[in-house]
Amino acid sequence: NAGVTQTPKFQVLKTGQSMTLQCAQDMNHNSMYWYRQDPGMGLRLIYYSASEGTTDKGEVPNGYNVSRLNKREFSLRLESAAPSQTSVYFCASSESGISGYTFGSGTRLTVV
Amino acid sequence: EDKVVQSPLSLVVHEGDTVTLNCSYEVTNFRSLLWYKQEKKAPTFLFMLTSSGIEKKSGRLSSILDKKELFSILNITATQTGDSAVYLCAVEPQGAQKLVFGQGTRLTINP
Repeated sequence: NAGVTQTPKFQVLKTGQSMTLQCAQDMNHNSMYWYRQDPGMGLRLIYYSASEGTTDKGEVPNGYNVSRLNKREFSLRLESAAPSQTSVYFCASSESGISGYTFGSGTRLTVV
Repeated sequence: EDKVVQSPLSLVVHEGDTVTLNCSYEVTNFRSLLWYKQEKKAPTFLFMLTSSGIEKKSGRLSSILDKKELFSILNITATQTGDSAVYLCAVEPQGAQKLVFGQGTRLTINP
């Protein structure tokens, strides 16, 4: 009954450090997404993967890379963290073409 | 560029009041509009709307879509403190396989 699992839940990085946010879903969904949420700005799409083996840029992809490791897992990597990347990150999944995303519980990232 | 605008951005009411949250959108090819409730963590799904004029209802919450005027409203009657949350509206463009979110409305219900 896990749904979408994100790790870690909290992280503090120094400017220039790298890290990978992990996401896994157990619902056999084809599509997976990474969003960031900043105060007053709703959720903005960073990258998405419509199916295993494909990834596409969203609205705010700069400074990030993604890997769709297999159908279950979709990771987000920050190669050189910047204070502007301080945010709450949400992973989500859905069945292709069917609305009603399932979201993970979020990762609160602070870059100092 | 696809765009979703919610209003008001913030709303404070007393328990028992009725509230209406607004969502307007501009999208190239519309597929569906969704409402989510976000408390402290992940957004949780409330409604998906695809057709104009058909009200979706769940308890004290209801929502309707107007595809001609390009907006949707979310109504909450007899509000309770547990309704305090950020309410997010999102639009799914046809064939895009992704959601475009509005800024959210922060609703606070005071006892």
